[in-house]
Amino acid sequence: NAGVMQNPRHLVRRRGQEARLRCSPMKGHSHVYWYRQLPEEGLKFMVYLQKENIIDESGMPKERFSAEFPKEGPSILRIQQVVRGDSAAYFCASSPGHGPQIAQYFGPGTRLTVL
Amino acid sequence: AQKVTQAQTEISVVEKEDVTLDCVYETRDTTYYLFWYKQPPSGELVFLIRRNSFDEQNEISGRYSWNFQKSTSSFNFTITASQVVDSAVYFCALSDQAGTALIFGKGTTLSVSS
Repeated sequence: NAGVMQNPRHLVRRRGQEARLRCSPMKGHSHVYWYRQLPEEGLKFMVYLQKENIIDESGMPKERFSAEFPKEGPSILRIQQVVRGDSAAYFCASSPGHGPQIAQYFGPGTRLTVL
Repeated sequence: AQKVTQAQTEISVVEKEDVTLDCVYETRDTTYYLFWYKQPPSGELVFLIRRNSFDEQNEISGRYSWNFQKSTSSFNFTITASQVVDSAVYFCALSDQAGTALIFGKGTTLSVSS
């Protein structure tokens, strides 16, 4: 019974390159959330998606960041022209439904390092 | 605005000691949910418990127990007879009313030595 899968686990990019982070939700889960964890900080919400739809992107930086959750395949968080400040752990979570009572189950995270 | 405060940044205990991790939250919602997650050194986040604002009964699961007090806006977590495997960062989180974003505290790093 696989949990939330994220890959890669570690990603190194040079400034100006693109980073693509992938997330496969738990089986039966159609709701995906992305969070960012900066060093010494708690997790901060970025975006919430359902299949083929972005529902809430209130936590996404206005530029360079985008997310998608296609009908087939994993959810992708894309960061264009990365800068050093993008270095962080990016976590994906999934849930079987949506609502404040629904627990979100997290993947192992992708640690992005920008050189 | 919603906020979660975990005032203890780091706690160190010796095995078999009991330890309590504090969590204080702020919200204007009348219905809300609180969560605790564990982040071991391997990095993943493990869901521990969910509690709704209408249920103030304490909960016990093995060596873990949670004390929810609405009057003080606190949702504290106690580990009894701590073990080295309990060493991790523990996060308290509050669900927003829509159930979209979890608002996390900054976490408490617990170190249990043998």
